[in-house]
Amino acid sequence: EVQLVESGGGLVKPGGSLRLSCAASGFTFSSYTMNWVRQAPGKSLEWVSSIYSSGSHIYYADSVMGRFSISRDNAKSSLYLQMSGLRAEDTAVYYCARRRGGAATGYDYWGQGTLVTVSS
Amino acid sequence: QSVLTQPPSVSGAPGQSVTISCTGSSSNIGAGYDVHWYQQFPGTAPKLLIYDNTNRPSGVPDRFSASNSGTSASLAITGLQAEDEADYYCQSYDNNLRGSWVFGGGTKLTVL
Repeated sequence: EVQLVESGGGLVKPGGSLRLSCAASGFTFSSYTMNWVRQAPGKSLEWVSSIYSSGSHIYYADSVMGRFSISRDNAKSSLYLQMSGLRAEDTAVYYCARRRGGAATGYDYWGQGTLVTVSS
Repeated sequence: QSVLTQPPSVSGAPGQSVTISCTGSSSNIGAGYDVHWYQQFPGTAPKLLIYDNTNRPSGVPDRFSASNSGTSASLAITGLQAEDEADYYCQSYDNNLRGSWVFGGGTKLTVL
């Protein structure tokens, strides 16, 4: 059974940093592009970042470029999101999600999410 | 303001049919990029409902179907059931600027 389990969320002050983790199991993690998607309270979904299976290609939404860094450890089947320079507008539930296949394909498995709250 | 536009809400009585639209542009749906649909219940993660425009993952009832035309896509739900009440999101790829994966604003389906 495919499982994605996020952790690392919490309350952080504006300008602070946080590192999110996503532990994957039930599939060959190293074969899939992985993604972070966030959802602010009462809002829609927003793609944040993607990293290819080998880590060779990385993409960020403009809203987080230069502040967030995605990485992965295929040996540990884990995905990470290092967030710095956090702003109130970064407050959201952060989901890790597996992409089915090629660049334009959908996300077939999602974690349960971890809440990040940026507030003084 | 989402790149893909969905109606905020739709409603229908049990047994009826509803359609949720997703309007994009020439840089996403109109460029031929696939559209995917997700279903989300309150407090839970989104679930892939339709992928690659028209395909249902295993376990999704055939009451759910989708189609594309030009710069728009639509999700149809027939034989509405109470358990269909949820938020629905469309997703596609957008090749503007550096490219990004975009979602619709979401549609709340209420089963009357």
